[in-house]
Amino acid sequence: EAGVTQFPSHSVIEKGQTVTLRCDPISGHDNLYWYRRVMGKEIKFLLHFVKESKQDESGMPNNRFLAERTGGTYSTLKVQPAELEDSGVYFCASSQKRGASTDTQYFGPGTRLTVL
Amino acid sequence: GQNIDQPTEMTATEGAIVQINCTYQTSGFNGLFWYQQHAGEAPTFLSYNVLDGLEEKGRFSSFLSRSKGYSYLLLKELQMKDSASYLCAAFNAGNNRKLIWGLGTSLAVNP
Repeated sequence: EAGVTQFPSHSVIEKGQTVTLRCDPISGHDNLYWYRRVMGKEIKFLLHFVKESKQDESGMPNNRFLAERTGGTYSTLKVQPAELEDSGVYFCASSQKRGASTDTQYFGPGTRLTVL
Repeated sequence: GQNIDQPTEMTATEGAIVQINCTYQTSGFNGLFWYQQHAGEAPTFLSYNVLDGLEEKGRFSSFLSRSKGYSYLLLKELQMKDSASYLCAAFNAGNNRKLIWGLGTSLAVNP
């Protein structure tokens, strides 16, 4: 079974540009999460999809960040326009279904975003 | 507030036993995850504790005390490949279902 995949693995952009990160969850997983780790800080929750619906987006930093999950499969996270403080590693995770007593989240390798 | 604390770094010797502690204070708690992360790779699931007590899984065991807000990960018969960052995360299965993370403990296993 394929794991969670993310693309690209690295992205270097200039301040003001736009970047779109993609996450392909494990097939059949309804829950999809985005997290971010800024250097020297802990991993922070950004948002949670259940299928195509945003269940919780309380961690999104501001309206420069837009996440979508059309069709309830893969998800994209767009940053527009990017700022220096957006640099970090963006992780995607997926888990099987809501209501499960053990809802293990499986992580992708992350996208390392550097904004210059 | 929500807070997860774990030591920043630990060093141990190949073949030894090491215990990595984690204390947590969160609103809404269902269980405690431990993940292993090698540099540049995805965090990999190790264990999930819901009930108090010790759960053993091969060389790795994890303990939880809900009343004390405390967990530890125990690694036995350490191998060089166990050098990695170990992250504890508190899970809230309510509406949020989000993981609240510690900073991670960087473990170096020396020969």
